[in-house]
Amino acid sequence: EPEVTQTPSHQVTQMGQEVILRCVPISNHLYFYWYRQILGQKVEFLVSFYNNEISEKSEIFDDQFSVERPDGSNFTLKIRSTKLEDSAMYFCASPHPGQSGETQYFGPGTRLLVL
Amino acid sequence: AQTVTQSQPEMSVQEAETVTLSCTYDTSESDYYLFWYKQPPSRQMILVIRQEAYKQQNATENRFSVNFQKAAKSFSLKISDSQLGDAAMYFCAYRSANLNSGGSNYKLTFGKGTLLTVNP
Repeated sequence: EPEVTQTPSHQVTQMGQEVILRCVPISNHLYFYWYRQILGQKVEFLVSFYNNEISEKSEIFDDQFSVERPDGSNFTLKIRSTKLEDSAMYFCASPHPGQSGETQYFGPGTRLLVL
Repeated sequence: AQTVTQSQPEMSVQEAETVTLSCTYDTSESDYYLFWYKQPPSRQMILVIRQEAYKQQNATENRFSVNFQKAAKSFSLKISDSQLGDAAMYFCAYRSANLNSGGSNYKLTFGKGTLLTVNP
């Protein structure tokens, strides 16, 4: 299975602090996705990113969130001022280029805990 | 908007037996993809199997197979010869196949999941 990597694996932060979650998606592909999973709940779509622009965002993805591709390979999700309810698992996903169906392969996730 | 429903919050199976996990979905589209993902305690999301809606033949991957009923909008997962390592949360997911600019329809919509326990 194609590899998507994410850092850090765990992050603990104080409420109101900024966090940056990083993802290295499958190389040479233009589509990237961020999903969130609050403990015990389903996986929810946050944002999709295509060709260096946001292509769609959910109602969860409000002004405190932003995504960037700062160096052409890494893909970051920034939360500007974290809230307690931002505590969740954050997944980056990327389709494998050349495969039909654009199956999305998930990174191992970043477990964010906001205190 | 598409919705995915998994009506079984929990299921259990004896080792070596067969179990079927249910999934239904609601869509007005005719072309789409359906997926089953496995999430073990590590919380990694692992692709189990994929089905293209235009294909009548049910997908199979080793011990995993699906029963895809397009008219009924049903997509169940059958696990044969269950193993202890199959114990996990299983999520059903939907993805549109409609092409549009930016790939915005390619997002996955997930069900709430079914927690599968495998008893030795």
